[in-house]
Order: sequence, then C-alpha cells, then structure tokens
Amino acid sequence: QVQLVQSGAEVKKPGASVKVSCKASGYTFTGYYMHWVRQAPGQGLEWMGWINPNSGGTNYAQKFQGWVTMTRDTSISTAYMELSRLRSDDTAVYYCARELYGAGYMDVWGKGTTVTVSS
Amino acid sequence: DIQMTQSPSTLSASVGDRVTITCRASQSISSWLAWYQQKPGKAPKLLIYKASSLESGVPSRFSGSGSGTEFTLTISSLQPDDFATYYCQQYNSYWRTFGQGTKVEIK
Repeated sequence: QVQLVQSGAEVKKPGASVKVSCKASGYTFTGYYMHWVRQAPGQGLEWMGWINPNSGGTNYAQKFQGWVTMTRDTSISTAYMELSRLRSDDTAVYYCARELYGAGYMDVWGKGTTVTVSS
Repeated sequence: DIQMTQSPSTLSASVGDRVTITCRASQSISSWLAWYQQKPGKAPKLLIYKASSLESGVPSRFSGSGSGTEFTLTISSLQPDDFATYYCQQYNSYWRTFGQGTKVEIK
C-alpha cells in the first residue's frame, strides 16, 4: 500500500541543523511532488515547500528560503528536508506529504517527525 | 502570499448537528481549495479537493462548496468520529497556504 515512512524523533541544540527523511513506497516516487509541512505544539499547519523528485527542482515558502534545503535520492525513493540554524521555535512535528503533479492537494501524509530544539 | 482565514476558530456541536466551517481567501483562488481533517497526534487526512470533490473513502456527510474567495465545509450530521480540527488549504499558486484551523468540539 502507499505509505510515507519518516525518520525518528530528533533533539537538537539551538544553532544546529536537522535532516528528516521520508521514504516512499507503494507508488512511483518520481511521479509526485513531495511537500513538507510543520506544526508547532498546539498550532496550525505551516507549509514549508516542495521538491519535484523527478527533476530535483524545489519551491520553498518565502519564510524558509535560505534556511531549508529539500533533496531526494531516487535510488531509494526517499526525500529529505534539512533545516539549519535551528531555534527553539522550530520545535514542531514535521510532515512529508505527496501531491500528484499539478493536483495541488496532498493526498498521502507521513506520520510526522518530532523535532525538539532545546539547550 | 495568499492568506486563508477560517471561521470560527472553535465550534461546539452535538452529535447529529449540521456543521458549517467557512474559509476565505485574500484573493480569488478559483476552486483550488482542499479541506483536511486532523485528530490529535495524527497526520492530516484529505477530505475534499477542488473545493467540492470528495476524496475516495470519505463519508458522504462531508461536502464542500464555494469558489473565488469564499468556501464552506459542511458536515450534514456530525458523528462522534468527526470531532477534530479542520484545515483549508489553497493551491492556486506554487506557494501553498493553510487556514489557521477550526476545532470542532463536543457541546
């Protein structure tokens, strides 16, 4: 079945970087955008950007430009999201979610990866 | 960026009630709107896309309507499993945005 399996929880110190992975299975990895969405504790959903696994092209929300890097490894059907210069308010659950090219909406989501930033 | 504003932020309702949530866009997004349901500790789940198309497997008590800048999500008869937070999301532009969410609570 179609699923997105994310890497485990991370604890980082302020100023560090974190890299979260999202392994796709059950569908053609290169046929769908991969989005990243985060949710701070008790808050709403915040869209971070997407990567086109076929071309490697990316599109980041303005807030995250210069700060987030999305990559992929097509040989293992895995997308990655790296966030640098972490601050305490980057503590959140980070989700990956797929979108059929051009569809616009996200139909399958990973279970989320908790990233805690604390000194 | 296109801003999405949901109302109300919280809604108290009883099982069997008809519930309506509104989502307004800061500019026209045609029908490029999706609705998601999220339960505590879980990932969001797609309910509606293209403003009114029901995702496969989603109960028919959920429906969506609207175009341009104003949209609604309606639950025709609220069930115990429907108590959750609902988000709208626009995809008119490359830069997606979500509404702030509407929590549906038990009255």
